[in-house]
Amino acid sequence: DSGVTQTPKHLITATGQRVTLRCSPRSGDLSVYWYQQSLDQGLQFLIQYYNGEERAKGNILERFSAQQFPDLHSELNLSSLELGDSALYFCASSVLPTGSSGELFFGEGSRLTVL
Amino acid sequence: AQSVTQLGSHVSVSEGALVLLRCNYSSSVPPYLFWYVQYPNQGLQLLLKYTTGATLVKGINGFEAEFKKSETSFHLTKPSAHMSDAAEYFCAVSLNQAGTALIFGKGTTLSVSS
Repeated sequence: DSGVTQTPKHLITATGQRVTLRCSPRSGDLSVYWYQQSLDQGLQFLIQYYNGEERAKGNILERFSAQQFPDLHSELNLSSLELGDSALYFCASSVLPTGSSGELFFGEGSRLTVL
Repeated sequence: AQSVTQLGSHVSVSEGALVLLRCNYSSSVPPYLFWYVQYPNQGLQLLLKYTTGATLVKGINGFEAEFKKSETSFHLTKPSAHMSDAAEYFCAVSLNQAGTALIFGKGTTLSVSS
């Protein structure tokens, strides 16, 4: 158990809908990272927050948004969903403000299926 | 920008054989390098990392990797494969700079046969 909690574990929805994925980081970790894992694209970095502020941005679509709340949990919002958004979404956390020499601790992921 | 390339999306070995998973990186500044493992239906977990210092890094479960700057490589090895090593392995790179994050390769699936 990494200590990172993601909900829901599985989610099935329709095209055009909006969903919210939630992540609770390990106790004491200030950084939260979101990654998307799909068969064709592999593990893609989406976005990072540190203590409530956006720190790094990757290949995140404009239809997607995220935030980190004062209690340090984070939410990833996916809107106007398309079939291609079906993937496993991972949240990870770390102590450090950058994805540098610190270890990232991953949750078990939220599997999104868009029909 | 930094990136990693993992050579071979699938590697198959026999139990007891040498495991060699290849990773090459691209970075404009000295990178930090990592290997992560993902077992089925689980998140990723850190196997080992190189930041500074000794270029041969030992990790969990008998794995090790050597940072070779001249070859821009960070290959993962294990002398003797075990059935429990079957998983997907990811090489990753990051920089000690604000605004950067851990970037992963596409992964290599390791199969171990008896």
